[in-house]
Amino acid sequence: NAGVTQTPKFRILKIGQSMTLQCTQDMNHNYMYWYRQDPGMGLKLIYYSVGAGITDKGEVPNGYNVSRSTTEDFPLRLELAAPSQTSVYFCASKPLIRGNTEAFFGQGTRLTVV
Amino acid sequence: AQKVTQAQTEISVVEKEDVTLDCVYETRDTTYYLFWYKQPPSGELVFLIRRNSFDEQNEISGRYSWNFQKSTSSFNFTITASQVVDSAVYFCALKDSWGKLQFGAGTQVVVTP
Repeated sequence: NAGVTQTPKFRILKIGQSMTLQCTQDMNHNYMYWYRQDPGMGLKLIYYSVGAGITDKGEVPNGYNVSRSTTEDFPLRLELAAPSQTSVYFCASKPLIRGNTEAFFGQGTRLTVV
Repeated sequence: AQKVTQAQTEISVVEKEDVTLDCVYETRDTTYYLFWYKQPPSGELVFLIRRNSFDEQNEISGRYSWNFQKSTSSFNFTITASQVVDSAVYFCALKDSWGKLQFGAGTQVVVTP
């Protein structure tokens, strides 16, 4: 199993440009999440999804959009990139089983907006 | 609202010393789950340990041990006989019923030979 795969690994964007961060998992997990990690900080939740067609905002959703058309994919869209969106983005997934299960994280996407 | 506090920004030790990382959490949930993750310099997040709120038994797994105390809302983590490979940022996290994780700010551990 590949687990959670994020692409690209690195990207430099100019202010005002748009891009989509891709996230795919092959574990048939219902729950998927997008987090961002600013330098020297912990991760903060941007958006999450409990299943195909269902998404909800997390702690820091402004400037982002998501969609979940399949169980496997959970892309994160930046419409008008701003320097404040310079961060490392992590996608994660978790099985439907409630309780003491950990989330599986992708390798991260390092985004710089200049 | 849930909150996780890791008061220690950085801890520096010499190899073979023990390292204890503090974590204090706040939640209104009666059932919750706590985790420790490691982030080495390469950047990925590595799951280390987890604990249910209804199981206060402390455990040891290899060089890792943890001390969970509901009365003080603390979930401390200890690395015994530290090694250079333990140098990383360690995150404490609190999970809600939807699996959403609230992370602390992290503690940088530096182990020197």
